[in-house]
Amino acid sequence: GQSLEQPSEVTAVEGAIVQINCTYQTSGFYGLSWYQQHDGGAPTFLSYNALDGLEETGRFSSFLSRSDSYGYLLLQELQMKDSASYFCAVRSNDYKLSFGAGTTVTVRA
Amino acid sequence: GAVVSQHPSWVICKSGTSVKIECRSLDFQATTMFWYRQFPKQSLMLMATSNEGSKATYEQGVEKDKFLINHASLTLSTLTVTSAHPEDSSFYICSARLAGDPYNEQFFGPGTRLTVL
Repeated sequence: GQSLEQPSEVTAVEGAIVQINCTYQTSGFYGLSWYQQHDGGAPTFLSYNALDGLEETGRFSSFLSRSDSYGYLLLQELQMKDSASYFCAVRSNDYKLSFGAGTTVTVRA
Repeated sequence: GAVVSQHPSWVICKSGTSVKIECRSLDFQATTMFWYRQFPKQSLMLMATSNEGSKATYEQGVEKDKFLINHASLTLSTLTVTSAHPEDSSFYICSARLAGDPYNEQFFGPGTRLTVL
């Protein structure tokens, strides 16, 4: 089975940097994804790491260390619209995603 | 591109009735679709994997006779909640993946909020 841990809440001010950590225990690992979900909305894809290292996409970056079963999502230059829930998800060999419990990010002015 | 729609967006039904939710990939063919449910302030829980032309694969603990899934074409999967009860009230979300996508991105529909009275 899959087990993922991430912080439940993070609060920061506009312009700040936030790092959301995700640790996982899996029976089969093919990659770590990150999704954003605004209240009542659909999850939207942010990033995917299959190999160790840092992937940068605009203000968002994601990191993976397979040997440590650990990854993080880095949100830079925080904006009010970044207030949302962020989920890490592990991909298994049949393309299924197992989601973490989610981290609620609140951005304050 | 890669848009997934769901219909209806919300539905209220009486206990004991059945409800069908449609999931469509609008601009791509999806050989695999996934069905999730999400309770308020909680994570997405995978219910089943739907493959075109074959039987769905259900996750442990999900009753396949209660949650009927049909994937009749490469652009349409349906979830029918049979004999719905108040505890089935939830947010049901489908997703689809593009075959060969190196990022393993799943494209999610907007979700269907089911309320069973």
